[in-house]
Amino acid sequence: EDQVTQSPEALRLQEGESSSLNCSYTVSGLRGLFWYRQDPGKGPEFLFTLYSAGEEKEKERLKATLTKKESFLHITAPKPEDSATYLCAVQAESGGGADGLTFGKGTHLIIQP
Amino acid sequence: DAGVTQSPTHLIKTRGQQVTLRCSPKSGHDTVSWYQQALGQGPQFIFQYYEEEERQRGNFPDRFSGHQFPNYSSELNVNALLLGDSALYLCASSSQGRVDTFGSGTRLTVV
Repeated sequence: EDQVTQSPEALRLQEGESSSLNCSYTVSGLRGLFWYRQDPGKGPEFLFTLYSAGEEKEKERLKATLTKKESFLHITAPKPEDSATYLCAVQAESGGGADGLTFGKGTHLIIQP
Repeated sequence: DAGVTQSPTHLIKTRGQQVTLRCSPKSGHDTVSWYQQALGQGPQFIFQYYEEEERQRGNFPDRFSGHQFPNYSSELNVNALLLGDSALYLCASSSQGRVDTFGSGTRLTVV
């Protein structure tokens, strides 16, 4: 069974204080690892897809990295508008083209001014 | 370009009742997936529809069923509602295995 564990569950940072969120996963053949951002009462918003160990992607103050067992979302000099829940999900290799995602519980990030 | 639209946005039902939620995928997308997100949890995969057939199903009972129409829109039906079915129900659309685009969800409360 595919599993995704995110840590920490919650993180409070001062504006400008860099940190990293962790996503550990077990999957029977990884097709892709996804990072989403979710604001209260809204659906997840896509950030990154990583496909193979060693891959890195960046967008503004966010950088995602991938190893064979975990992924990190690095947040550099965050601003209050980066406050959200960050979700990690994996997509397994499967026959028939099906590609449902397995999500972690998320990390609730608060950036204080 | 309209993204994924879901209706209704909020719904209150009584235990034992049945409910139907609706989803219109993003333009150009042909695959629809449904997820259940309980408060404080990550989304859980319910099932996926492609070419009007259920292609993949998560660990949900048969009370949860769905349908996809020729225009790719989809419905999620839940029978014999339980208090534990209270959650945010998310619809996501995609095409050819590309990234899922999520709607804002339907908040279902069962009383």
